[in-house]
Amino acid sequence: EIVLTQSPATLSVSPGERATLYCRASQSVSTNLAWFQQKPGQSPRLLISDASTRATGVPARFSGSGSGTEFTLTISSLQSEDIAVYYCQRYNSWPWTFGQGTKVEVK
Amino acid sequence: EVQLVESGGGLAQPGGSLRLSCGASRFTFSTYWMTWVRQAPGKGLEWVATINQGGGQKYYVDSVKGRFTISRDNAKNSLYLQMNSLRGEDTGVYYCARDMGDVWGPGTTVIVSS
Repeated sequence: EIVLTQSPATLSVSPGERATLYCRASQSVSTNLAWFQQKPGQSPRLLISDASTRATGVPARFSGSGSGTEFTLTISSLQSEDIAVYYCQRYNSWPWTFGQGTKVEVK
Repeated sequence: EVQLVESGGGLAQPGGSLRLSCGASRFTFSTYWMTWVRQAPGKGLEWVATINQGGGQKYYVDSVKGRFTISRDNAKNSLYLQMNSLRGEDTGVYYCARDMGDVWGPGTTVIVSS
């Protein structure tokens, strides 16, 4: 089973600053990787699919990059509404798996 | 607006059963793979199962194989998760999602406890 490891576990960022989240796969997943945002008490929301394709309605400040085993989600200018837990997920083979999540908080 | 709504959660005893349902609306349900994802209290997301458009391909996380069954009724625009031999570790919020997660329902809560 391919394991996804996210880092850091918690990221403290000042409003307006850049936030960079990492997801590492134990084996190559090509670009079959998605990023989700989950705010407290809400369902997850798809942000990025295929490693770098923004989902419909997702602000341009969110971007994804990477392939193979190393992936990055960047929030170019953190807004207060971006406070959430972010998960990566791979879907290249069964079973699909999620990373353990990165909590983004305001510094 | 595309919508998914789960139902059927509740309290079950260890070893018991529950059947979750997910109703879909405002999209062509029969053309999409569908997925169940769960989240234990205070924990992260865990993929549970996925089914293809016609129901002939089903995939499960190892921890539920032989206990849970994913199915669908395209005529009723509905997705199901039959959960048998429930364990405490099955407790959590169960979400249905379209494909790999571009649309999610609000979730239904399952509690397994005596």
